[in-house]
Amino acid sequence: SQKIEQNSEALNIQEGKTATLTCNYTNYSPAYLQWYRQDPGRGPVFLLLIRENEKEKRKERLKVTFDTTLKQSLFHITASQPADSATYLCALVYSGAGSYQLTFGKGTKLSVIP
Amino acid sequence: DAGVIQSPRHEVTEMGQEVTLRCKPISGHNSLFWYRQTMMRGLELLIYFNNNVPIDDSGMPEDRFSAKMPNASFSTLKIQPSEPRDSAVYFCASSSWGAGGNTIYFGEGSWLTVV
Repeated sequence: SQKIEQNSEALNIQEGKTATLTCNYTNYSPAYLQWYRQDPGRGPVFLLLIRENEKEKRKERLKVTFDTTLKQSLFHITASQPADSATYLCALVYSGAGSYQLTFGKGTKLSVIP
Repeated sequence: DAGVIQSPRHEVTEMGQEVTLRCKPISGHNSLFWYRQTMMRGLELLIYFNNNVPIDDSGMPEDRFSAKMPNASFSTLKIQPSEPRDSAVYFCASSSWGAGGNTIYFGEGSWLTVV
């Protein structure tokens, strides 16, 4: 079965630096890969989507890369701020047999230290 | 739009009792998902519906769990009888599912504690 690993459970980073989170998967590549943000006591919120034929996607201070050879996605937050502190989840979207399947990683808890 | 609405937000119940969680998806969305989140296992898909029809329920832990979607604007997840290991946050999510890898919109979750 497909396995998704996010590089670490927790990541601490100094304010102003670039935070880099990793999502690795096994087996076959997904059609899409999504990143979500989850704050304590809240549901996950969609941030970015990248397709398997795309190498990079950007949105404001966020950047996502997708390397199907390495079976890896990197999620970057540049000029990080304490407000960026949250848990970030990657999700792989597979299609087939007339349906879609969305599988989440366990997430990485990011803490941006002032 | 009000987003995905779940109730109750918090529930504490005794082992053996029936628990019913409710969800109202975003209007116009054709897919609905039930997820369970724990520290140990992360976010797990329990079941998802497309156009009110269950498509994949392979994530439902056992016969104690059941889910229904009688119409496009309402779904329930029932646990009977409940056990302490069912304690978790249960999320409902909806999407306008199609070929675009569409975004899933989550509710705020139902926090279940079974004592």
